[in-house]
Amino acid sequence: QKEVEQNSGPLSVPEGAIASLNCTYSDRGSQSFFWYRQYSGKSPELIMFIYSNGDKEDGRFTAQLNKASQYVSLLIRDSQPSDSATYLCAVIVDKLIFGTGTRLQVFP
Amino acid sequence: SAVISQKPSRDICQRGTSLTIQCQVDSQVTMMFWYRQQPGQSLTLIATANQGSEATYESGFVIDKFPISRPNLTFSTLTVSNMSPEDSSIYLCSAHRGTNEQFFGPGTRLTVL
Repeated sequence: QKEVEQNSGPLSVPEGAIASLNCTYSDRGSQSFFWYRQYSGKSPELIMFIYSNGDKEDGRFTAQLNKASQYVSLLIRDSQPSDSATYLCAVIVDKLIFGTGTRLQVFP
Repeated sequence: SAVISQKPSRDICQRGTSLTIQCQVDSQVTMMFWYRQQPGQSLTLIATANQGSEATYESGFVIDKFPISRPNLTFSTLTVSNMSPEDSSIYLCSAHRGTNEQFFGPGTRLTVL
């Protein structure tokens, strides 16, 4: 079983909709969870991190963590075409482990 | 966030040669890392660059192939030695500051012919 799993997508949503990106992880000892955005040809950019169960909101982004289910998600409200990118979930075990990423496409 | 720069941004190299990539952070950081991202794939950690001691390599990566230096708290280098076309990839420097947040440099796109 992979340590961090994501659906590779693409996830296609219309402009203005909510995009929901999901990630599961295998190590119950994980304490820190991150979402990175990566535009094609660019390096990953940290957009959200969450350490506690529940929701954390930052602008149009909401990260949700459920440690019992070993599940972390990212919601993007009012999706814009500029949000089209690959979103990488990452988890700290003894080091930062990345999922394979979900490609999001927001169409006008 | 930390501002991280890398040099070179890209290079095309011949098989059998070596390339050294430099990473500079705008302030002192506790930890620095080197990652590889092959086309269409996610990030793979090569090693943790330790200041004042040898780097810690991940499974599948060895010091002879990827020697790393970290002479101070703001700078590190990664050398890709005796290159082959399989080494063609994007190499990313990352720094860790504060609690657990890691930030990435712009990457070095390496093509080996």
